[in-house]
Amino acid sequence: GNSVTQMEGPVTLSEEAFLTINCTYTATGYPSLFWYVQYPGEGLQLLLKATKADDKGSNKGFEATYRKETTSFHLEKGSVQVSDSAVYFCALTDSGGGADGLTFGKGTHLIIQP
Amino acid sequence: NAGVMQNPRHLVRRRGQEARLRCSPMKGHSHVYWYRQLPEEGLKFMVYLQKENIIDESGMPKERFSAEFPKEGPSILRIQQVVRGDSAAYFCASSPGLAGGYEQYFGPGTRLTVT
Repeated sequence: GNSVTQMEGPVTLSEEAFLTINCTYTATGYPSLFWYVQYPGEGLQLLLKATKADDKGSNKGFEATYRKETTSFHLEKGSVQVSDSAVYFCALTDSGGGADGLTFGKGTHLIIQP
Repeated sequence: NAGVMQNPRHLVRRRGQEARLRCSPMKGHSHVYWYRQLPEEGLKFMVYLQKENIIDESGMPKERFSAEFPKEGPSILRIQQVVRGDSAAYFCASSPGLAGGYEQYFGPGTRLTVT
């Protein structure tokens, strides 16, 4: 079956630090990959996505590259802000069009200190 | 364009009661997904519906849980005879489908507490 593994949190960084949150996956097909962000008390918001190997998704300074050879989709940001504090979820869907339900990792709680 | 709406946002039920969770998809979206988030866990897929059809219910518990998405009105996730282990956040997502794509947009969730 499909699964997503992401680094355990919480991850605590100082403002302007470099961020990496690791995500690896197993899938039976050729998945599409996503990062979602959840702010306290809110639903999930799509942060970025990639649908094929070597694609780079990017949004709001965050980036992630679909690495088929290492089955990874690590999230990076060059300089984090306090407002980036949230829980980040890596996810995949195993259909080409993405019509299936998403498989999520457990989430990584990111805390940015001023 | 309003986002995905869920109500109620918070629901408290005693053991043995029924819980009904409602989800109104974004305008123009005909696909609905339900997920459950247990404390300190990621979201787990429960069921995928299109109007009047259940497409995939592989993540639904076999007993007490049911879902529908009628031709008119919101999608409903129904939990009968709730137990303490049902306490969780339940999220709904919708997507346009077909030419509109399958990117899922999430609602704010319903937090169910069973006492």
